[in-house]
Amino acid sequence: DGGITQSPKYLFRKEGQNVTLSCEQNLNHDAMYWYRQDPGQGLRLIYYSQIVNDFQKGDIAEGYSVSREKKESFPLTVTSAQKNPTAFYLCASTRLGGYQPQHFGDGTRLSIL
Amino acid sequence: GQQVMQIPQYQHVQEGEDFTTYCNSSTTLSNIQWYKQRPGGHPVFLIQLVKSGEVKKQKRLTFQFGEAKKNSSLHITATQTTDVGTYFCAVTQGGSEKLVFGKGTKLTVNP
Repeated sequence: DGGITQSPKYLFRKEGQNVTLSCEQNLNHDAMYWYRQDPGQGLRLIYYSQIVNDFQKGDIAEGYSVSREKKESFPLTVTSAQKNPTAFYLCASTRLGGYQPQHFGDGTRLSIL
Repeated sequence: GQQVMQIPQYQHVQEGEDFTTYCNSSTTLSNIQWYKQRPGGHPVFLIQLVKSGEVKKQKRLTFQFGEAKKNSSLHITATQTTDVGTYFCAVTQGGSEKLVFGKGTKLTVNP
């Protein structure tokens, strides 16, 4: 079945450590997105990419980095510069054009040790 | 940038009661999408509205887009425990492929 796979499901980070969250899709979608979800805050966009080797900052990009070397993959690195990383991270993908719906992965829950 | 206000933030109902959540914008919207996120789950697309005054139904769910395309509502008739979750509206940010999400309405249903 086609879908979006995020891993790991749970992740713990130590102070000063960078961690990378994986997102892979086999839907042949061009656009991919990373969101952060905090209780009562809805979904806030971190980064998005519409094409391989290109990506744009969202509303809360500080302390995060991404890469898009393959169409299927859009990993997110939470760097040590992100001082409050504890959150639920969701990856999504969509076709381009015509207000397409977004398809989400199951998410990664990141906590600080 | 584009913002959308969603109310109420929380709604608790008895099973069988109706439920409505609203999304409001100060600017004219090109479209609006609705998503449902079950507890512990991820958002799942429900429907999209693009036309002024549009009304769409999915079983007990009724979605409306305002005549001025500045507001939308999701109404659930006779709620069931399976309706529990957080309902989000989302709008396309002018001319981009980005969605801006409302903060969601968390629905709990007492059996």
